[in-house]
Amino acid sequence: DQQVKQNSPSLSVQEGRISILNCDYTNSMFDYFLWYKKYPAEGPTFLISISSIKDKNEDGRFTVFLNKSAKHLSLHIVPSQPGDSAVYFCAASEGETSGSRLTFGEGTQLTVNP
Amino acid sequence: NAGVMQNPRHLVRRRGQEARLRCSPMKGHSHVYWYRQLPEEGLKFMVYLQKENIIDESGMPKERFSAEFPKEGPSILRIQQVVRGDSAAYFCASSPGVQAKRSGYTFGSGTRLTVV
Repeated sequence: DQQVKQNSPSLSVQEGRISILNCDYTNSMFDYFLWYKKYPAEGPTFLISISSIKDKNEDGRFTVFLNKSAKHLSLHIVPSQPGDSAVYFCAASEGETSGSRLTFGEGTQLTVNP
Repeated sequence: NAGVMQNPRHLVRRRGQEARLRCSPMKGHSHVYWYRQLPEEGLKFMVYLQKENIIDESGMPKERFSAEFPKEGPSILRIQQVVRGDSAAYFCASSPGVQAKRSGYTFGSGTRLTVV
C-alpha cells in the first residue's frame, strides 16, 4: 500500500534549466508534505515543506506546489545547479494522532549536467 | 555543530547475531525516530520515541526488533537473530517536538547494516 509515489526514478536536466520533481499521494488525511534531498552515504536533508491548506511555498530556488484535488505535488528547482544532483524524496505527515511519522516516496535521482 | 550522531556507520553481522544501532539526538531534541531504507526503496518509518517512552511503534516488525530511548544516553535500535533481509540503511532522526512536520526532522548519516 504505497500512499506516496514518485513515479520517475530518475531525471536529467541541464545546468541553469528548471528541474520539476513530481509526487502523488492517495491518503487525503495527509496534512503536511515535505521534500528531502539525499546524497550517497548521508542522511536525508530537509529542503522545504507545505501545509495542505496552501497551494504554494517558495524558498530561494525551491518552490513546492500542491494540487489537493489531484493529490499531486511538485518541487521546482530553478535554476538547477550541478550541486543539486542527488536523490529527492517526497514525504507526507498524517496529523497529530500519528505523531510526526512521515511516509516517504521511493525517491527520484536528479542529475544536473554542467 | 553537533547534529544527530549515529554509530556505528557500518556494521557487519553474521546471521543469528544481534545488532545494536545507536543514535544520539541533536542537543535539545527529545523526540527520536527510526527509519529503514532497503536497497532501491524509500525510507520506511519504524518507531517514534520520546525519553523513556515509545510513542508509535507501528512500523516495527513484530519479532526480533526493539527500540529504547532511556533517560540518559542514546536511543538504541536492537535487532536480535539478524537475517539477510535485515540488511539495510537505518536512519535516526530527531526533533524538538511534534512540529517537525513543518520544519523537518534532522537526520543522522545512518548505519549500514550488512548481514552475511
